[in-house]
Amino acid sequence: GESVGLHLPTLSVQEGDNSIINCAYSNSASDYFIWYKQESGKGPQFIIDIRSNMDKRQGQRVTVLLNKTVKHLSLQIAATQPGDSAVYFCAERAGGTSYGKLTFGQGTILTVHP
Amino acid sequence: DGGITQSPKYLFRKEGQNVTLSCEQNLNHDAMYWYRQDPGQGLRLIYYSQIVNDFQKGDIAEGYSVSREKKESFPLTVTSAQKNPTAFYLCASRTQRSSYNEQFFGPGTRLTVL
Repeated sequence: GESVGLHLPTLSVQEGDNSIINCAYSNSASDYFIWYKQESGKGPQFIIDIRSNMDKRQGQRVTVLLNKTVKHLSLQIAATQPGDSAVYFCAERAGGTSYGKLTFGQGTILTVHP
Repeated sequence: DGGITQSPKYLFRKEGQNVTLSCEQNLNHDAMYWYRQDPGQGLRLIYYSQIVNDFQKGDIAEGYSVSREKKESFPLTVTSAQKNPTAFYLCASRTQRSSYNEQFFGPGTRLTVL
């Protein structure tokens, strides 16, 4: 999961394995969550989102799970590929914020070995 | 192609100088945002704007200024008052048609103070 400090959590997997990236969020009032992927030197790219009234949402090769009881979010990537290597951020939006302010976690580095 | 552009990609500044980072979007988004990213950390909000001619401070606005004279453009000025400006700066935009919409990010500008 995410942690405080300059050392990002890392996850190293073999190509073809499934990956699970975890995120602990802080605000029980958050109503919207987003996963972003950031490759080195580039801007974050949207992967998948989920609203707080859902527990699970699936996309292409990705699934996001939300456990509001323990304030935990996870991103599952099926059949991980070398192109999935990047830093993955979760972001939460506090409910009621009309301007869409997101609070970002520190990120997890995913490395996929061929 | 619709998207967000940021320029320049790399920017070098001498201490005591103000510099302006450009952000342009042709997505017809109302809301625009500026973030700062430091190594090993998540994104932190500097300023945001929900509509033309209006903008609000984010979490770390000191030493920065913005303008929003056109819907498409949201330039960020890093002033000499910013004590530690070396960072990766990201601009984002978002439609406000729904409260559940992700932010789209530009490619970023890396600012280095010499």
